[in-house]
Amino acid sequence: DTGVSQDPRHKITKRGQNVTFRCDPISEHNRLYWYRQTLGQGPEFLTYFQNEAQLEKSRLLSDRFSAERPKGSFSTLEIQRTEQGDSAMYLCASLKSGATNEKLFFGSGTQLSVL
Amino acid sequence: KQEVTQIPAALSVPEGENLVLNCSFTDSAIYNLQWFRQDPGKGLTSLLLIQSSQREQTSGRLNASLDKSSGRSTLYIAASQPGDSATYLCAVGSGTGNQFYFGTGTSLTVIP
Repeated sequence: DTGVSQDPRHKITKRGQNVTFRCDPISEHNRLYWYRQTLGQGPEFLTYFQNEAQLEKSRLLSDRFSAERPKGSFSTLEIQRTEQGDSAMYLCASLKSGATNEKLFFGSGTQLSVL
Repeated sequence: KQEVTQIPAALSVPEGENLVLNCSFTDSAIYNLQWFRQDPGKGLTSLLLIQSSQREQTSGRLNASLDKSSGRSTLYIAASQPGDSATYLCAVGSGTGNQFYFGTGTSLTVIP
């Protein structure tokens, strides 16, 4: 068990460019979450997957954001035409639903800076 | 929608002091409640999870309690150490357990 991995750790991009982040959850975890966090705030829900199915998306998630989990394992989050307001820490988390102890495990996050 | 509030936003204590962090939520129909620690620029580390049917959980110097009827949870840290300095967040699991709602955290500084 290597924990939740996120790549890259940091991403600096120019406004208008597209970016893609990757998350590798803990191997036996069937549920995967994406959150966004800005300084001084708690994580804000973006979307989650149960296996490969995307079951819920935040209403705050604009059409520029898309997420996939094609084989129920790793997930990608893409932001198209980035804006300065997209600058934030993007966090991935996973858990094993139905387990006795459904703890949420987080990755170290991807810090996005849009210039 | 569940609203989660953490008070105080920041706390500074001398080393060795016992302290209590507070978390309140508006909807008592919760699935579980987790306390996390976050160091600057890092992800969240789970500290304690309390199931809806439980009243408290303990791990080492940490003790978390849950009172659903009053919409409150507390995290008690005994004999604080400088290494405990971090932001502590609580997350409330929705009734179905599919969603988690986070507070804005309490930033703790333990002064040597």
